[in-house]
Amino acid sequence: DVVLTQTPSTLSATIGQSVSISCRSSQSLLDSAGNTYLYWYLQRPGQSPQLLIYLVSNLGSGVPNRFSGSGSGTDFTLKISGVEAEDLGVYYCMQATHAPFTFGSGTKLEIK
Amino acid sequence: EVQLVESGGGLVQPGRSLKLSCAASGFTYSNYVMAWVRQAPTKGLEWVASISTGGGNTYYRDSVKGRFTISRDNAKNTLYLQIDSLRSEDTATYYCAKDGENTGPFDYWGQGVMVTVSS
Repeated sequence: DVVLTQTPSTLSATIGQSVSISCRSSQSLLDSAGNTYLYWYLQRPGQSPQLLIYLVSNLGSGVPNRFSGSGSGTDFTLKISGVEAEDLGVYYCMQATHAPFTFGSGTKLEIK
Repeated sequence: EVQLVESGGGLVQPGRSLKLSCAASGFTYSNYVMAWVRQAPTKGLEWVASISTGGGNTYYRDSVKGRFTISRDNAKNTLYLQIDSLRSEDTATYYCAKDGENTGPFDYWGQGVMVTVSS
């Protein structure tokens, strides 16, 4: 199975600070058709996950544009430009290029 | 508004069976691939199974093959997960999730249903 390694595991930020989360894959996520199936989800405390970013860099429906995704191959990054209080929770990357779909272990964002 | 509402969880003894349901509304259910994703207590997310729009193709993670069965009833807008021979490691919150039209997997998730396997 593809292993996704997220760093850091915990992140503490002040309101307005910009932060980045890394997701590194054990295999390239580029498929033979030229697509890269890398996703980012946020799970707020006590809630189900919600889609933030799809296909590396596309914003999910209703997701604020302070969130952005980038990367290629095996290295991917989620950036939050100006953290807000509602951003606290656990962020997961997920790959859907190779079966089975696999998730990273998560990055917990805390607000100072 | 897309809604996915799971039900059927609870406390079950090891070796017993359970059937989870997920009632879908707010979208044309029969047009979308659906899936189950689980989360053990205080752990991360784990894809369990997916099913094609018509139900003819199903996919499972290796650890549940032969024990879990995903199915759907497009007339009832409902997704199911039959879990047999329950093990303690199946203890988790089970989420149903839908694929997006252009986004790929899991653009909407239900609120989840807890399954606890214990004697």
